[in-house]
This record gives sequence, structure tokens and C-alpha cells, in this order.
Amino acid sequence: EPEVTQTPSHQVTQMGQEVILRCVPISNHLYFYWYRQILGQKVEFLVSFYNNEISEKSEIFDDQFSVERPDGSNFTLKIRSTKLEDSAMYFCASSDRTSGYNEQFFGPGTRLTVL
Amino acid sequence: AQTVTQSQPEMSVQEAETVTLSCTYDTSENNYYLFWYKQPPSRQMILVIRQEAYKQQNATENRFSVNFQKAAKSFSLKISDSQLGDTAMYFCAFMNWGGSEKLVFGKGTKLTVNP
Repeated sequence: EPEVTQTPSHQVTQMGQEVILRCVPISNHLYFYWYRQILGQKVEFLVSFYNNEISEKSEIFDDQFSVERPDGSNFTLKIRSTKLEDSAMYFCASSDRTSGYNEQFFGPGTRLTVL
Repeated sequence: AQTVTQSQPEMSVQEAETVTLSCTYDTSENNYYLFWYKQPPSRQMILVIRQEAYKQQNATENRFSVNFQKAAKSFSLKISDSQLGDTAMYFCAFMNWGGSEKLVFGKGTKLTVNP
């Protein structure tokens, strides 16, 4: 069964460094999302992406964040200058929206640790 | 803004017994979707069950069923005949119908099924 995959599973970085988190959505899906979960807190929406454009973003998704679909398969989240508070699990999701509702399929997450 | 509250951080149940996980939400919208997602240890979130707010009938999927009380804004998940493989984090989530695509999550309930 097709799955969303994410790499790496765990990323450790120094404060101020740039990180790129990678996701491979399910191949026929056209809608992509990033969520994050700070340890012990709720899963929070960051951004949605369709047709090479951001369709919605949360207030968390500030200028430090960007998303890109550099080729036909990958979907990336870049954090330009990481802060300690960016430490979290980052989940990618994708959807085809062909069903009557928007079922989002999630990847296993990337644990980002900022030191 | 919508909020989702799961008041039980952890629960446990004996194998083959029934357990109910609670979820309440707050919204001013009339049409929306509600979901329960399951996240087994070190694996991705998968959709367990969904409920459309316009449907009065409670959704069921095999051993999983919901008790949807729209007026009370309550959406509990009942797991019957619990199995060891049901051990996971369970997240309740909300999505507007026909508008924002983002999922709004609760903090999750960690369910342990004991042999």
C-alpha cells in the first residue's frame, strides 16, 4: 500500500543552522501539508501546498520557513535559521481530495533536535 | 478558532475489553468533519474513523465506533474487544467542511492494551 515517507527520521542541528526536511508524498496526491508536534503538545498545522503554491499557512509558519516541491516526487520544508523552540516532530501529509472529504495520509515524522 | 480537547492523557484497558476515549471540541461552524487518528509507536498516524457533522448516525468501523453528540460538541471513540495492536496514541481532530484544509488536533490519549 502506498505510504508517505520522510527523511531523515531524526535530525540534530545547531541553533542558527539551516535544515531541510524531506517528504515523498503518495504518488498521485496533489495536496501536501506540514504539521509539527512539540514534545507533550498538540499536533499543529504549519502549511498546505497545492499547484506549486502555498494555499494556507499558520501563524507559526513565518519567514524562517519555506516549502518547495523541487521535482515530481519530493516535498520539502526548510527552516533557514533554526531556533531552540523549533525542536519538534515534523509530520508531512498528502491528500488527493478525490473523496468527498479531505483524508490526509501522514508520514512517520522527522524528529528535529536543535542544540 | 476551533479547538479540540482530549482530557485523558493516558488510559489502559485489558485485552478483549471495551474502552472509550473522550474528545470535545469548540467551533461556531455547522458543517465539519471529525476524525480519530491512531499513531502506533514509531509509526505514522493512520485514520481510524471519521464523522461528518451533518450525519446523525454515529460512524462505525469494525471494532471502532463513535458517539457523536453535536449539541454537546462531543466526539468519543469506543474500541470494543481491545487487542494488543490497539496500543497507540489516539488523536481526535477537526476539519472545517468546504473551507480550510487544516486538521486541528487534540493533544492525544496514550492507550495501552494489557494482556
